[in-house]
Amino acid sequence: AQSVAQPEDQVNVAEGNPLTVKCTYSVSGNPYLFWYVQYPNRGLQFLLKYITGDNLVKGSYGFEAEFNKSQTSFHLKKPSALVSDSALYFCAVRDMFRGMNRDDKIIFGKGTRLHILP
Amino acid sequence: DTGVSQDPRHKITKRGQNVTFRCDPISEHNRLYWYRQTLGQGPEFLTYFQNEAQLEKSRLLSDRFSAERPKGSFSTLEIQRTEQGDSAMYLCASSFSGQGETQYFGPGTRLLVL
Repeated sequence: AQSVAQPEDQVNVAEGNPLTVKCTYSVSGNPYLFWYVQYPNRGLQFLLKYITGDNLVKGSYGFEAEFNKSQTSFHLKKPSALVSDSALYFCAVRDMFRGMNRDDKIIFGKGTRLHILP
Repeated sequence: DTGVSQDPRHKITKRGQNVTFRCDPISEHNRLYWYRQTLGQGPEFLTYFQNEAQLEKSRLLSDRFSAERPKGSFSTLEIQRTEQGDSAMYLCASSFSGQGETQYFGPGTRLLVL
């Protein structure tokens, strides 16, 4: 079964500095990987995804993520953080290989709270 | 706004009452998902539909929970005999089936059971 881990509950970054939010995953086959952001009392907003191809994926609001198959990681990055980036970030995975049983769901990590300090 | 909508946004109920939530997906999307999110956790999958067919249900979905999507458009999630442990944010998402499909989420319904 697939799983995803976000090892940091919270990340603090000074405004203007680069940020990284970590994510590792486990799947039987090859993964589809996603990042979502959640602002207070709101639903999740899609940021970016990796399906295949280039390991560096660019998404909304200047975010990007790098797929590393050998390290089974999909870390979210941004070169220069903004105070408005402060939010809860979720990594999610879906297994391309679903075996004998239909399994179209994606599995979310517990989330990482990002604080950008002015 | 043509995104996913959910109604109501907030619901307070007493233990033992029944509640029903509605989700309207993005119009061209054939898949609709329900998730539950509790404080400090990521969304947990409950069930999903492709068109009007309910294709998968999580073990989290006890027999007090039922979901429908009768015409393949909007969906309802009903919780019967609510318990305090049902208090959570209930999220709906929709997508168009395909390789690496992206799920788009609604704003959620926050349920508080007293």
